[in-house]
Amino acid sequence: GNSVTQMEGPVTLSEEAFLTINCTYTATGYPSLFWYVQYPGEGLQLLLKATKADDKGSNKGFEATYRKETTSFHLEKGSVQVSDSAVYFCALSPGETSGSRLTFGEGTQLTVNP
Amino acid sequence: DAGITQSPRHKVTETGTPVTLRCHQTENHRYMYWYRQDPGHGLRLIHYSYGVKDTDKGEVSDGYSVSRSKTEDFLLTLESATSSQTSVYFCAIRGSNTIYFGEGSWLTVV
Repeated sequence: GNSVTQMEGPVTLSEEAFLTINCTYTATGYPSLFWYVQYPGEGLQLLLKATKADDKGSNKGFEATYRKETTSFHLEKGSVQVSDSAVYFCALSPGETSGSRLTFGEGTQLTVNP
Repeated sequence: DAGITQSPRHKVTETGTPVTLRCHQTENHRYMYWYRQDPGHGLRLIHYSYGVKDTDKGEVSDGYSVSRSKTEDFLLTLESATSSQTSVYFCAIRGSNTIYFGEGSWLTVV
């Protein structure tokens, strides 16, 4: 079956540090890949997505590249801010035939200190 | 704003009682989903719907049932709540090849 593995957290960084959150996946075919962010007490918001190999998703300074050869979709940001403190979820969707159900990783808690 | 409203947002209930959570969408999307979120597990799919009266089980469906009598409403029912069902429940819809989430319903079973 499909699965997503994220690096274990929590991750604590100082403001302006470089961020990488690793994500690898197992899936058949050509899934779509997503990063969602959850701020305290809120629902999940789509941060970025990529639908085919070598696509790069980007938003709000975050980016991730769909690497089929390494089955990875690592999240990066060059300079984090305190406001980036949240839980980040990597997810995959196998496509139309499965109702586009998302399979999630466990989430990575990020804390950015001033 | 994906036009998703969940109710109630917070509820405390006793073991053995039935509980229904409601998800309402204003976008007329075909696919709707119920997930639960627990520490160490991320989000796990409970049930999903691909149209009125068309539903299917997810990976953690035991103890839950769903109904969809109208496009805009997807109900999740816990027939007899147990403490293991204490969780945060998220409704989601699929629109424009992306899945959007509601704000969540915090359920505590005591």
